[in-house]
Amino acid sequence: AQSVTQPDIHITVSEGASLELRCNYSYGATPYLFWYVQSPGQGLQLLLKYFSGDTLVQGIKGFEAEFKRSQSSFNLRKPSVHWSDAAEYFCAVGAGGTSYGKLTFGQGTILTVHP
Amino acid sequence: GAGVSQTPSNKVTEKGKYVELRCDPISGHTALYWYRQSLGQGPEFLIYFQGTGAADDSGLPNDRFFAVRPEGSVSTLKIQRTERGDSAVYLCASSLGTENSPLHFGNGTRLTVT
Repeated sequence: AQSVTQPDIHITVSEGASLELRCNYSYGATPYLFWYVQSPGQGLQLLLKYFSGDTLVQGIKGFEAEFKRSQSSFNLRKPSVHWSDAAEYFCAVGAGGTSYGKLTFGQGTILTVHP
Repeated sequence: GAGVSQTPSNKVTEKGKYVELRCDPISGHTALYWYRQSLGQGPEFLIYFQGTGAADDSGLPNDRFFAVRPEGSVSTLKIQRTERGDSAVYLCASSLGTENSPLHFGNGTRLTVT
């Protein structure tokens, strides 16, 4: 069975500082990996995804993530955080194919940004 | 264009009652998904429709939960004999149904069972 672990429940950074959110997955084959962001009262928004190819993927809002098969990780990064980035972030893994949208999510990391 | 619409946004019901939660997907999206998000957790997959048929209902927790999509557009998630443990935010998402087509999530229905 596939699973996702986000080790950090809550992270606080100062505006302008760099950010890295950790994600570790367990999956038997080549995973489809995603990062979503959820602001209070809002739906989930896709930040970026990895299927194959270049292991460093670029997303919206200046985010990027790197797939490291040897570490079963897919960490999310941003070089300079803005106050508007405060939200909850979810990493997810899927099987692709006909089950493309059937995702297993981590429990999320809440990001607080201090001015 | 309009996104995925879920109604109601909030629903409070008493234990044992029946509830229906509605999802209006983006027009033209053939795939529709229901997820459940409990407090402090990530979303959990419930069921997936491709067109009118349930392609995968392996995430439904028990037979009190049922979902339909009779015309391949609007979907209704139905919960019978609600229990306090059913309290959660129920999320709906739709997509074009092809691989690589992104999921578009609605804002969810917050269900509270008292």
